Amino acid sequence: GESVGLHLPTLSVQEGDNSIINCAYSNSASDYFIWYKQESGKGPQFIIDIRSNMDKRQGQRVTVLLNKTVKHLSLQIAATQPGDSAVYFCAENMGEDKLTFGTGTQLKVEL
Amino acid sequence: DAGVIQSPRHEVTEMGQEVTLRCKPISGHNSLFWYRQTMMRGLELLIYFNNNVPIDDSGMPEDRFSAKMPNASFSTLKIQPSEPRDSAVYFCASSLQGNNEKLFFGSGTQLSVL
Repeated sequence: GESVGLHLPTLSVQEGDNSIINCAYSNSASDYFIWYKQESGKGPQFIIDIRSNMDKRQGQRVTVLLNKTVKHLSLQIAATQPGDSAVYFCAENMGEDKLTFGTGTQLKVEL
Repeated sequence: DAGVIQSPRHEVTEMGQEVTLRCKPISGHNSLFWYRQTMMRGLELLIYFNNNVPIDDSGMPEDRFSAKMPNASFSTLKIQPSEPRDSAVYFCASSLQGNNEKLFFGSGTQLSVL
């Protein structure tokens, strides 16, 4: 999961395995959440979003789960591929049309 | 669609110099955001505009930082005078307000202040 500090938490997975990246958000009033992927030297790229009235949403090879009770968000990547290697950020909309980003998790896919 | 375009990609300058970062948002988007990314602090929102008007600049670290959006297709972030602690990657992002705040980011400007 994510944490504050100098070192990004790292998740290493084998190619073809499923990945689960976790995020704890801060504001119980947040009503919208997004996962972003950031590859080295590039800007964050939108992956999938979810509103607070849902607890699950699926995309292509990705699923986001939301547990409002414990303020927890997770991103599941099925059949992880080398191209999935990146830093993944969760972001929450705390109102006023602003997003607040977590500190990120480094995903490393091993061949 | 060309996406959000930022320039320059890299900027190396000396302490005390003025730095200007530029951004062209996606055509039709009416919200623009400036973020700063460092290893220590992650992605921090500096300022954002709706319809060219600054809405929230509470993230701007000091008076040395200023941002403008003279029209819907252009914004600048200026640092004057620059300091070594300003070294970071600066991202511009745009969105269509009301579109669930799905931000589209540029490739960023890597700023190094020596």
